[in-house]
Amino acid sequence: DIQMTQSPSSVSASVGDRVTITCRASQGISSYLAWYQRKPGEVPKLLIYGGSSLQGGVPSRFSGSGSGTDFTLTISSLQPEDFATYYCQQANSFPLTFGPGTKVDIK
Amino acid sequence: EVQLLESGGGLVQPGGSLRLSCAASGFTSSTYAMTWVRQAPGKGLEWVSAISGRGAATYYAESVRGRFTISRDDAQNTLHLQLNSLTAEDTAIYYCAKDRADGSYYMDLWGKGTTVTVSS
Repeated sequence: DIQMTQSPSSVSASVGDRVTITCRASQGISSYLAWYQRKPGEVPKLLIYGGSSLQGGVPSRFSGSGSGTDFTLTISSLQPEDFATYYCQQANSFPLTFGPGTKVDIK
Repeated sequence: EVQLLESGGGLVQPGGSLRLSCAASGFTSSTYAMTWVRQAPGKGLEWVSAISGRGAATYYAESVRGRFTISRDDAQNTLHLQLNSLTAEDTAIYYCAKDRADGSYYMDLWGKGTTVTVSS
């Protein structure tokens, strides 16, 4: 099974900050990676797929990069509605696996 | 409105069974792969099972293989998950999710979930 790790596990940031979250796969997954945002009481929302493709309706301040084993989600200018937990998920092979999540909270 | 609505959760004794359903509306689910994901109390997201569009292929997490069965009724636009031989470790909120494009297994639409509690 492909194990997904994320760092940091949490980050405190202010509105307007640039935030970067890293996701690492235990083996190469090409670009078969998604990023989800999850707010309390809500279900996950797909932000990025294919490592770097922005899902429709997602603000352009979100971007994804990487391939192989190392991936990054960047929020260029953090907005109040972006405080949430972010998960990566590999779609390279079954079983599909998620990272443990990174919580972005208010500094 | 495009949405998924799960049902069928509840309290069941260890060793018991449940059948979860996920009704799709606003789109034709048959053309998409569909997935079940669960979240146990205090834990992260865990992929459980997936079924390809038209149901040609099914996939299971090792922890549920042989006990859970995924199926789809495309005429009813509904996804099912049969849960057998349940244990306390299966206690979780179960979400169904729609594939962004058949075979991609990126999940672009999620239901609100149905809660399964396994306890005596």
